[in-house]
Amino acid sequence: KAGVTQTPRYLIKTRGQQVTLSCSPISGHRSVSWYQQTPGQGLQFLFEYFSETQRNKGNFPGRFSGRQFSNSRSEMNVSTLELGDSALYLCASSLEYGQGVWDFGPGTRLTVL
Amino acid sequence: AQRVTQPEKLLSVFKGAPVELKCNYSYSGSPELFWYVQYSRQRLQLLLRHISRESIKGFTADLNKGETSFHLKKPFAQEEDSAMYYCALKETSGSRLTFGEGTQLTVNP
Repeated sequence: KAGVTQTPRYLIKTRGQQVTLSCSPISGHRSVSWYQQTPGQGLQFLFEYFSETQRNKGNFPGRFSGRQFSNSRSEMNVSTLELGDSALYLCASSLEYGQGVWDFGPGTRLTVL
Repeated sequence: AQRVTQPEKLLSVFKGAPVELKCNYSYSGSPELFWYVQYSRQRLQLLLRHISRESIKGFTADLNKGETSFHLKKPFAQEEDSAMYYCALKETSGSRLTFGEGTQLTVNP
């Protein structure tokens, strides 16, 4: 089966800009979650979507938002970028809501200058 | 709030030696625990989950509710086990995972 795909794989932005990251889940998977990975904070949960509804949100400012489409694909958006937003953003998909079994994508490496 | 602690950032063993990666958690409810692994230049992937009670690649982990631990063990480490290992906790409801900081395991020849 094709794995979770994320685009773009690398991004360089400057402070104040906004960015949109895209995630395509494994075919048939209906739940998508996003994590931020940094050397200092490790893996931190951003949000989770199922059936186009946000089911859970982590402790991130409102500048971080996301959505899920009817085909289960998901996007996350970060507005007014800050230097501290530089991180690897991981998307994961799961067959159904309520499972802890996730298939992770390769990540999008965001660098904010 | 839930928390997962992996006390060792780095762990180095020799091939054939036993290995134990420690994981402790705090959660007031009934958690589900997982181990995820990331090999070099590969994606994060599920290694095992406590409710499955199975052995994957020779690794086992037992949930000890009394000690709130979920240590990962393997009796004879192999060089291909070298990777970053993350312990993760899922709350009773929902699917979000709380990850530990990770342990980088190096198995030396």
